Amino acid sequence: EAQVTQNPRYLITVTGKKLTVTCSQNMNHEYMSWYRQDPGLGLRQIYYSMNVEVTDKGDVPEGYKVSRKEKRNFPLILESPSPNQTSLYFCASRYLGEQYFGPGTRLTVT
Amino acid sequence: ELKVEQNPLFLSMQEGKNYTIYCNYSTTSDRLYWYRQDPGKSLESLFVLLSNGAVKQEGRLMASLDTKARLSTLHITAAVHDLSATYFCAVDGYSGGGADGLTFGKGTHLIIQP
Repeated sequence: EAQVTQNPRYLITVTGKKLTVTCSQNMNHEYMSWYRQDPGLGLRQIYYSMNVEVTDKGDVPEGYKVSRKEKRNFPLILESPSPNQTSLYFCASRYLGEQYFGPGTRLTVT
Repeated sequence: ELKVEQNPLFLSMQEGKNYTIYCNYSTTSDRLYWYRQDPGKSLESLFVLLSNGAVKQEGRLMASLDTKARLSTLHITAAVHDLSATYFCAVDGYSGGGADGLTFGKGTHLIIQP
């Protein structure tokens, strides 16, 4: 089944404790991206990647890092999480204009 | 800078009624998307609109695109409770940050009451 997976789905952590949210797709898509969703703000792009080893900032990249060492994986790294990064995070891949979203990761930073 | 505005942001309506959600965007774009999101769930793709005058229909939902007016509409016909959800439009194009990807509206929270 073609899909985008994310782990973990839920995470509660404390300020400053580094964490990684994994994202994987099995469709061999070159383009992948991360979005965060906050109430009343819709979804905003954090980072995107056009291909392996090619990443670029989205609209709200501050406090996040990404890497793209393999085509299928695009992890999101929070080196020192802060409470304002509490949000719902979606990973997505794209092919021929169609977006495929993962199930989401709900992150709470206390 | 690409901006996407949806209205209304909140809509409560009765079953059987018709209504329209509007999506305005500020710059030219290749594609416009409509998504549905149920509480705690991911985004479900409803429509992808590619060209001026495009109209797509699926069940009680119909989406249209006017690229000259930079306007898309999502029309709900004879609403039923199962259509209660949050609906997002999104435009493919460069945002103010120079990013390549989708720029989303803030979403329309739709409640359909019996």
